[in-house]
Formats: sequence, structure tokens, C-alpha cells
Amino acid sequence: KNQVEQSPQSLIILEGKNCTLQCNYTVSPFSNLRWYKQDTGRGPVSLTIMTFSENTKSNGRYTATLDADTKQSSLHITASQLSDSASYICVVSGGGADGLTFGKGTHLIIQP
Amino acid sequence: GAGVSQSPSNKVTEKGKDVELRCDPISGHTALYWYRQSLGQGLEFLIYFQGNSAPDKSGLPSDRFSAERTGGSVSTLTIQRTQQEDSAVYLCASSLAWGTQNEQFFGPGTRLTVL
Repeated sequence: KNQVEQSPQSLIILEGKNCTLQCNYTVSPFSNLRWYKQDTGRGPVSLTIMTFSENTKSNGRYTATLDADTKQSSLHITASQLSDSASYICVVSGGGADGLTFGKGTHLIIQP
Repeated sequence: GAGVSQSPSNKVTEKGKDVELRCDPISGHTALYWYRQSLGQGLEFLIYFQGNSAPDKSGLPSDRFSAERTGGSVSTLTIQRTQQEDSAVYLCASSLAWGTQNEQFFGPGTRLTVL
């Protein structure tokens, strides 16, 4: 069964600190993996997309890693800001009627 | 428009009533997707359109749910005889074409509450 598991479910950190969110998947065949940021009351917005051959990709203070052998990805946020408070969703391409399998997300809260 | 828009943003209805949710995709996007997001749950795929055609309707939760798309643009998701378990945020997304390599752009969602 195609699954995407994210951890932790929720995380609270102080402004300025770094954090790392995890995504493990069992989706096969694998095409790509995206990290989305979803602000409260808004739709998800894509942060990064990674294909099989990519190990690391950065988007500003966000850095995503992918290990296709262990089927793990992480999203590292550097020098967190209050605006980083959101849900972060890992989406893996492969499986599902729309070809996508969604994780349940990590709810991140940045405290001043 | 600049992005995907959805209306209404919030809808409160009584159990047993019908509701219609609307999605305006990004101009020129041929693929359109509907998802449901319940509290604490991941996005649940409902249906997608390639142009005006929906090749796979198996994601719709029951026969009370239906969707259509006309003119390759606006789509409506209709829920008949709403039940309390239908309460959720309904998200619409569009992409340039169908295919997982194409980024999906999401609308803000419609929050449906069934009393």
C-alpha cells in the first residue's frame, strides 16, 4: 500500500531556531517528491520538488533532502521566522488515482 | 486571474441540504483536481478533470458527490443530501496539464460545515 508518513505531527520552536521535518514513504514506482507549505485558511503552496536523482534542493531558508534508497526525505528550515508557522505537507508522486500520495503534514508553530 | 479561486469561502448548511462548490482554475490550465481535507487528516483525492472529462470518479466518497467542468474552465462540486461527515475543507487545484511532473496550484478552499 502506498503510504507517506510524516513526523513529528506537530512541533513548536522559538523564532530564530532551526528545525527538520521528516517524510518516509513507501510509494512505488517513485517519480518525484514535493514539499508544500499550507498556511492556516489557505491552500498548499509548493516549496520544492525533487526527482530520483536529486539529493538536495534549497529554496531560500528551506532545504529539502531525498534519499531514494531508504525512501526518506527531510525539510530543514534555517533561522525560523514567525511566518514559517504553517503545516508542511510531503507529497510523493506514484500511486493513487491522481498519481499522488499525500502525507498528513507536520504542524509547525514558531514562537517569538 | 492570478491564481485558483474558490467560492464560497465558507458554507454552513443543514443536514440533508444540497450544496454546490465552485472552482475557477488558472487560465490555460487543462487539468483540475478536487480534494477534501478533514481536520487532522491529509488531503483526500476526490476527482480530477482533463479538459471537461473526468476519467476516474472512483475517489468520490459516495453517489451523493458529483462534479462537472464546462468549457474547460470552471468546475463545480455538488454534494447532495449533505451529512455531518461531509464537513471538511474542499480544495481545488489546477495544473498546466495532467501528470505528476506538473505542479498543482491550489485554491484557498471552501470550508463546509454541516449542522
